[in-house]
Amino acid sequence: EVQLVESGGGLVQPGGSLRLSCAASGFTFSTYEMHWVRLGTGKGLEWVSGIGTAGDTYYAGSVKGRFTISRENVRNSVYLQMNTMRAGDTGVYYCARGQPPDQWGQGTLVTVSP
Amino acid sequence: QSVLTQPPSASATPGQRVTISCSGRRSNIGSNIVNWYQHLPGTAPKLLIYSNSQRSSGVPDRFSASKSGTSASLAISGLHSEDEADYYCAAWDDSLNGFLFGTGTKVIVL
Repeated sequence: EVQLVESGGGLVQPGGSLRLSCAASGFTFSTYEMHWVRLGTGKGLEWVSGIGTAGDTYYAGSVKGRFTISRENVRNSVYLQMNTMRAGDTGVYYCARGQPPDQWGQGTLVTVSP
Repeated sequence: QSVLTQPPSASATPGQRVTISCSGRRSNIGSNIVNWYQHLPGTAPKLLIYSNSQRSSGVPDRFSASKSGTSASLAISGLHSEDEADYYCAAWDDSLNGFLFGTGTKVIVL
């Protein structure tokens, strides 16, 4: 059974940093693209970032230069380092597998507030 | 900021048909496959349709989708109460070099 479990969410002040983790199991992690997608409060789904099997990375314009995605195949994990955070980064962050993303975690809540 | 435009809501009574449109550009829908997601609050989004019109495993054939040019649509026939959810189209955008979700449509079963 495919499982994606996010962790690392929480409350952070504007300008602060947070690192999200996603632990994957039930499939050959190294052979899949991985993505982070968020659901803002009162907003729709927004793709945040993706990483290919070769480590190639992609970012939404709203986070480019502030967020960094990485993966560690030996640990079956993908990460999202979020710096210089803003109120608009508040939301539930989902880890998702593949292109198009076909399996999703349950999400971790990130709140950016003073 | 999404450039895949969907109507904010769509509604119908049980048993009826509802259609959701998704309007994009040459750089996204016009050049790449379209996928559709169903999202119920508090749950993980579910890939409903991939490759423009292919239903994911376990998705009933009441759900169908198509694409033409820079637009796509999702149809739900024989509407059930459990179909009440948010629906998103999604596609890769070659100009942005990123994945885009549509603005989302809330389907209301009257």
